Amino acid sequence: NAGVTQTPKFQVLKTGQSMTLQCAQDMNHNSMYWYRQDPGMGLRLIYYSASEGTTDKGEVPNGYNVSRLNKREFSLRLESAAPSQTSVYFCASSEGWGLADTQYFGPGTRLTVL
Amino acid sequence: DAKTTQPTSMDCAEGRAANLPCNHSTISGNEYVYWYRQIHSQGPQYIIHGLKNNETNEMASLIITEDRKSSTLILPHATLRDTAVYYCIVRARGSSNTGKLIFGQGTTLQVKP
Repeated sequence: NAGVTQTPKFQVLKTGQSMTLQCAQDMNHNSMYWYRQDPGMGLRLIYYSASEGTTDKGEVPNGYNVSRLNKREFSLRLESAAPSQTSVYFCASSEGWGLADTQYFGPGTRLTVL
Repeated sequence: DAKTTQPTSMDCAEGRAANLPCNHSTISGNEYVYWYRQIHSQGPQYIIHGLKNNETNEMASLIITEDRKSSTLILPHATLRDTAVYYCIVRARGSSNTGKLIFGQGTTLQVKP
């Protein structure tokens, strides 16, 4: 079991470029999440997917789009990157939705936008 | 979800118990207390959670006061690898729950040799 995997690990973009962050889980979890973490801050939820085929906005969705490609994969897209999107991005998954279940996190993608 | 208050930082000697407090005075009856930690540059890691009874697993113990307004995470024999930021999170369950975790600033635990 690899758990939650994320690619790439590191990325540098120029302002205005686009890119997609990939996330996959092999735990047969129903729910998946994208968070960002800025230096010295806690994690903030960008988007989440309660189940395959559904996605919803979190606390800080502006500038991002997501796709729940299938049960395993949940991608985050930056259409036109801005320096304010420089951050560490974490993907997570959990078994259920609306339940007191735990979330399992990937290793993160460190993104720098110049 | 109820807000939590944690000390900004704590030190602990290696091999001793680390007791990390969390205040959640506005917690409601259907809200669980969760603890996660984040070791430098890694993704957060689940530690333990509870509703009202004390809980123990292979990583830690969780003590929740009878009025549920505060809790303590106990790492019984802290090691250098336990140096991390520890997050106390209160989260509801039920159909209206968005499932999201609200991470505050957490407590930075430094385990010293």
